[in-house]
Amino acid sequence: NAGVMQNPRHLVRRRGQEARLRCSPMKGHSHVYWYRQLPEEGLKFMVYLQKENIIDESGMPKERFSAEFPKEGPSILRIQQVVRGDSAAYFCASSPDNQETQYFGPGTRLLVL
Amino acid sequence: AQSVTQPDIHITVSEGASLELRCNYSYGATPYLFWYVQSPGQGLQLLLKYFSGDTLVQGIKGFEAEFKRSQSSFNLRKPSVHWSDAAEYFCAVLASGGSYIPTFGRGTSLIVHP
Repeated sequence: NAGVMQNPRHLVRRRGQEARLRCSPMKGHSHVYWYRQLPEEGLKFMVYLQKENIIDESGMPKERFSAEFPKEGPSILRIQQVVRGDSAAYFCASSPDNQETQYFGPGTRLLVL
Repeated sequence: AQSVTQPDIHITVSEGASLELRCNYSYGATPYLFWYVQSPGQGLQLLLKYFSGDTLVQGIKGFEAEFKRSQSSFNLRKPSVHWSDAAEYFCAVLASGGSYIPTFGRGTSLIVHP
């Protein structure tokens, strides 16, 4: 059973470009969560999605950030017009229906030049 | 709302020595508790979790943790540390009964000396 998959593992963007981060949950998991981790900090919750629905986006910046989890395919975290402050590691986690335990992917390290 | 405190930012131990990483939480009822480990450049791997029952929980890689309600603590222990245990360790708490977003501590960086 493959774990949570994220790609790309590393992403370099120039200021003003768009970044697309993809996450495929574990097989059988329908709940996806996105987190951001800044250097020497813990994980900060961004958004929680189920298939085709955003359940909780309370941790998502109001502008430039969006997320989706379509019926088919991976979940996408999209950052438009990136700025240097967006440089961070972005982690995706998934959980089964009881939502008690989250399993994390390897993360995408975004560097904005 | 729940909160988690990991009072030690860095811990240094010698290989073969015992280890205890501290975690204190704040929550009105008994929460779900987790320890994750993150190796450099990697994602978080679940070490162990406590939901209910026996307060001493065994995890992977020889780790264990003990839930102490009276102290609101969930400290992680290992009797003999290996150099490969050098990593960042995160404690997390999830409010039982309906919540789905765990709160993570800031992490403790473990350094292992040969």
